[in-house]
Amino acid sequence: QSALTQPASVSGSPGQSITISCTGTSSDVGSFDFVSWYRQHPGKAPKLMIYEATKRPSGVSNRFSGSKSGNTASLTISGLQDEDEADYYCSSYVHTTLIFGGGTKLTVL
Amino acid sequence: EVQLLESGGGLVQPGGSLRLSCAASGFTFSAYGMNWVRQAPGKGLEWVSTISGGLGVNTYYADSVKGRFTISRDNSKNMLYLEMGTLRVDDTAVYYCANVVGLGHGTPVTVSS
Repeated sequence: QSALTQPASVSGSPGQSITISCTGTSSDVGSFDFVSWYRQHPGKAPKLMIYEATKRPSGVSNRFSGSKSGNTASLTISGLQDEDEADYYCSSYVHTTLIFGGGTKLTVL
Repeated sequence: EVQLLESGGGLVQPGGSLRLSCAASGFTFSAYGMNWVRQAPGKGLEWVSTISGGLGVNTYYADSVKGRFTISRDNSKNMLYLEMGTLRVDDTAVYYCANVVGLGHGTPVTVSS
């Protein structure tokens, strides 16, 4: 299975909104709603921010939202804060396996 | 709250073995398929293995670990395991247990002579 495609980097200013895309195929993202998004600060474990494409785990800020259209899933962060600067990864279940995107570095200007 | 707590990582020589454990809480463990995912130093996330929910009848492995690693679960203890054998230097990574609703904090595995 090929990896999911994410932009290498995105940036935004505090208070702004940004969107990170995650593009797969009709065999993975396009077929299943089991898309997850993780945030990872340097030296820390990834943290689950969105699961099943649109759901937020308990304790995750409502500034984070997920969506999916066709073969592309998206993570939107509104009201950017300094703490949002991190790497973000998407993942998708594909039948019996799990595939990941290569990660996107978010810089808060 | 979903909690996944890995343990068992450490330093091991090439060709050696290690058993990772993951203690789960905060959700109905037996109802969920479970996964092991790893992250090599400076790299992205990589799927390692999946076990189906319920009795865990079905197991799946990345080609890189097939035949060397074995995933299992004990629903009576809410535990997930990964038996790792014939370890190689390129197995060095932080190993995370994960499912649809959570991801643990990881346990580091270093394979080095």
